[in-house]
Amino acid sequence: DTGVSQNPRHKITKRGQNVTFRCDPISEHNRLYWYRQTLGQGPEFLTYFQNEAQLEKSRLLSDRFSAERPKGSFSTLEIQRTEQGDSAMYLCASSLAQWAEQYFGPGTRLTVT
Amino acid sequence: GNSVTQMEGPVTLSEEAFLTINCTYTATGYPSLFWYVQYPGEGLQLLLKATKADDKGSNKGFEATYRKETTSFHLEKGSVQVSDSAVYFCALSERNTPLVFGKGTRLSVIA
Repeated sequence: DTGVSQNPRHKITKRGQNVTFRCDPISEHNRLYWYRQTLGQGPEFLTYFQNEAQLEKSRLLSDRFSAERPKGSFSTLEIQRTEQGDSAMYLCASSLAQWAEQYFGPGTRLTVT
Repeated sequence: GNSVTQMEGPVTLSEEAFLTINCTYTATGYPSLFWYVQYPGEGLQLLLKATKADDKGSNKGFEATYRKETTSFHLEKGSVQVSDSAVYFCALSERNTPLVFGKGTRLSVIA
């Protein structure tokens, strides 16, 4: 069990550019979650998948954000036309559907300049 | 909607002191409750959990009891160490849905 992995760990981009992050969950976990964490705050839910189906999207997830989990394994989170307000730590977590607890990756820190 | 409120930090304690971090919640049903810990430069780690009223979660000397009557899940440790310095997050989940987190409490333990 290698845990949840996320790539890249850090991303610096210029405003208006598109960025894509990847999350690889724990292999047997069928649920995958994305959260965003800003400085001094707790993580806030963005979206989650059960297998390849996207079950819920937060109102925080604007039209510029899209997430996929095409084969029910890894997931990608894309942000189009980045804005400075998108600067945050993006966290991925995975679980089994019958569990409440989730296991988190190390996060991808995005800085938009 | 559901929410979690935890005491604001930072909390600074001397080694071997007693720790309490308060957490209260608002939920429409009967959530599962969690404490996660974030060490400097690392991701969130599950510290302990409780899934029903009066359950006590415990791990690494930390404990928290699910109190439905006071909607609380306070984190305690009898004797903190420097290595416990981290940010602690209280969280809830109803029916295995996405977690709702508090804002976090930073703990610094000095030798």
